[in-house]
Amino acid sequence: SQKIEQNSEALNIQEGKTATLTCNYTNYSPAYLQWYRQDPGRGPVFLLLIRENEKEKRKERLKVTFDTTLKQSLFHITASQPADSATYLCVPRNFGNEKLTFGTGTRLTIIP
Amino acid sequence: DARVTQTPRHKVTEMGQEVTMRCQPILGHNTVFWYRQTMMQGLELLAYFRNRAPLDDSGMPKDRFSAEMPDATLATLKIQPSEPRDSAVYFCASGLTGSLNGYTFGSGTRLTVV
Repeated sequence: SQKIEQNSEALNIQEGKTATLTCNYTNYSPAYLQWYRQDPGRGPVFLLLIRENEKEKRKERLKVTFDTTLKQSLFHITASQPADSATYLCVPRNFGNEKLTFGTGTRLTIIP
Repeated sequence: DARVTQTPRHKVTEMGQEVTMRCQPILGHNTVFWYRQTMMQGLELLAYFRNRAPLDDSGMPKDRFSAEMPDATLATLKIQPSEPRDSAVYFCASGLTGSLNGYTFGSGTRLTVV
């Protein structure tokens, strides 16, 4: 069955450092992958997506990589800030499949 | 900013009571989803609609849950009768078919069944 695993439930990073979150998937061949952010008491918010033919995507302090051989996506936040503290969720997707299957999420805490 | 509106934000009810949660999707969005989130299971898809037609409700316990879209501006999720194990946060999300952009989620309804 399809499975999405995100690294360790919680990750604590010192402010100013780069936070790296991992998303591994099995029994999937996604055409693209999305990352969402969820704050306590709120719904997930879409951040960005990366297609299978893109090795890397950047948006401000965010960088996402997508390795279809390793079946893995890495999500980096550079110059991390306490406001980046949240749970981050990855969603592998295929065209024509509207259903979102979320990973377990990684709860990131940026320590001042 | 356009947003998905869910009501109520919080609901406490006694076991056996009927619960109705409502969602107003973003105007123009044709795909609507209902998700449930718990600490143990994470985000689970319950049901979704495209152009108001139900496409998949395989994630819902059929005997007690029902989801409908009476019109394009309203989606409802009903639980009857409610049970303590239904306690969770229920999210509605909407989007456009074929869009690669993510879906927009509401702030959720936190349901507690005692």
